[in-house]
Amino acid sequence: ETGVTQTPRHLVMGMTNKKSLKCEQHLGHNAMYWYKQSAKKPLELMFVYNFKEQTENNSVPSRFSPECPNSSHLFLHLHTLQPEDSALYLCASSQDLPAGASITQYFGPGTRLTVL
Amino acid sequence: KQEVTQIPAALSVPEGENLVLNCSFTDSAIYNLQWFRQDPGKGLTSLLLIQSSQREQTSGRLNASLDKSSGRSTLYIAASQPGDSATYLCAVRPYSGAGSYQLTFGKGTKLSVIP
Repeated sequence: ETGVTQTPRHLVMGMTNKKSLKCEQHLGHNAMYWYKQSAKKPLELMFVYNFKEQTENNSVPSRFSPECPNSSHLFLHLHTLQPEDSALYLCASSQDLPAGASITQYFGPGTRLTVL
Repeated sequence: KQEVTQIPAALSVPEGENLVLNCSFTDSAIYNLQWFRQDPGKGLTSLLLIQSSQREQTSGRLNASLDKSSGRSTLYIAASQPGDSATYLCAVRPYSGAGSYQLTFGKGTKLSVIP
């Protein structure tokens, strides 16, 4: 297995369900990201983890709860979501480099989430 | 707040044509600008990354230019092929201090190359 993998690829859930999205990277990177891609909106950064520590949280509602147990795995725990949370959720990873350096992020295929 | 705009939103061209995709951003204080490709139902693939001190980058049939002072970038695709059909996203990394990994994306240009 190479690159960045995400499971499941598709998820349908009700507003009262609890589910988790999983991301795994096999690139030896130290930084991992969650993005949300909604229809007709730009890709939005949700969370950033660097060396397992959360470094950015872009005012994401508490119904989204990230977890990074190690530098290779990233989870997004979901509970009491709203229909407007339906979107493609993308995970990415990158090397940890000093500020100003060229950081290329490598993306997974995404999880298509539908909230009924 | 940094905003990234991509024009056109969609573009359809016959195979073999050269084409240009446009990207503009409102704040010129950036570390770099990156062009990505996204295929339906898939994640993003990085195509080219231009540092703020550079004017252009080339990879095969792709050439990206950056005019930081005017807040513009173009992605030039030569001799387009049906396999180039995808959505092309532009993203800038704003200069916001050490440790920030924020990328601001445009909405993308959906390209269709007709055989």
